[in-house]
Amino acid sequence: NAGVTQTPKFRILKIGQSMTLQCTQDMNHNYMYWYRQDPGMGLKLIYYSVGAGITDKGEVPNGYNVSRSTTEDFPLRLELAAPSQTSVYFCASSSPRGGGSNQPQHFGDGTRLSIL
Amino acid sequence: GNSVTQMEGPVTLSEEAFLTINCTYTATGYPSLFWYVQYPGEGLQLLLKATKADDKGSNKGFEATYRKETTSFHLEKGSVQVSDSAVYFCGKRDSNYQLIWGAGTKLIIKP
Repeated sequence: NAGVTQTPKFRILKIGQSMTLQCTQDMNHNYMYWYRQDPGMGLKLIYYSVGAGITDKGEVPNGYNVSRSTTEDFPLRLELAAPSQTSVYFCASSSPRGGGSNQPQHFGDGTRLSIL
Repeated sequence: GNSVTQMEGPVTLSEEAFLTINCTYTATGYPSLFWYVQYPGEGLQLLLKATKADDKGSNKGFEATYRKETTSFHLEKGSVQVSDSAVYFCGKRDSNYQLIWGAGTKLIIKP
C-alpha cells in the first residue's frame, strides 16, 4: 500500500537550475495537488488537477509548471530555481467518490528543496 | 471571506493535561471539516473529519464537533501524551474540492 510517493526526498539546487519533483499515486485518485510549506507556516496550494489532462493554478503558481498526462503521475517543474523557492513540497491526492466533498487528501512524505 | 483560523502556537502542555486547539471557519453552507496531524519530518495525515453539522469526528482519543452555530471545529483530547507532539492543521472543504487550510498549531507535550 504505497499511497502517494514523492521523489526525491531531499535536493539542493543552485540558483537558475531546473528540476522536476515527481509524484505518483496508486489509489486511482482523480484529484491531485501540489503544496509548499515554508518553515513554521501552513500549506500553500501551488497547482492542482482534477483529472488527466486538466490542471489549474492554485494560490502560488508563479515559477512552477505541472502536467498530468496520466491519472497516477503529477510532476512539478521548477524552471529557474530561486532562493524564494526553498521549501518543503508536498503532493497529495483525493478521490471524487461521493462527489468528493467529504474525501480526505492523502499526502506524500514531502521533498525538502534548498536553493543556494 | 473563505478562511480557516486556528489558535497560534506553540501550545505547550504537560503529559496527561487536557488539550483544546481552537479552529473557526468562514463559509456559506456546510462544508466538510478536517483535522490533520504532521509529525516531525513527515507529511500530513488525516486525524479526523466531520461532514455535517453536529457530527463528531474522533480518532486516537482526539475529538472535534462540527458546530454550525459558532462555525467552529475545535480539537480536544482528554489526556495528552508525549507522542502527540506534532503540528495540527484544521481544514475545510472548498467548493471545488480543494481544502482551505489553517496555518497549523504546533503542540509540544512535556513529560
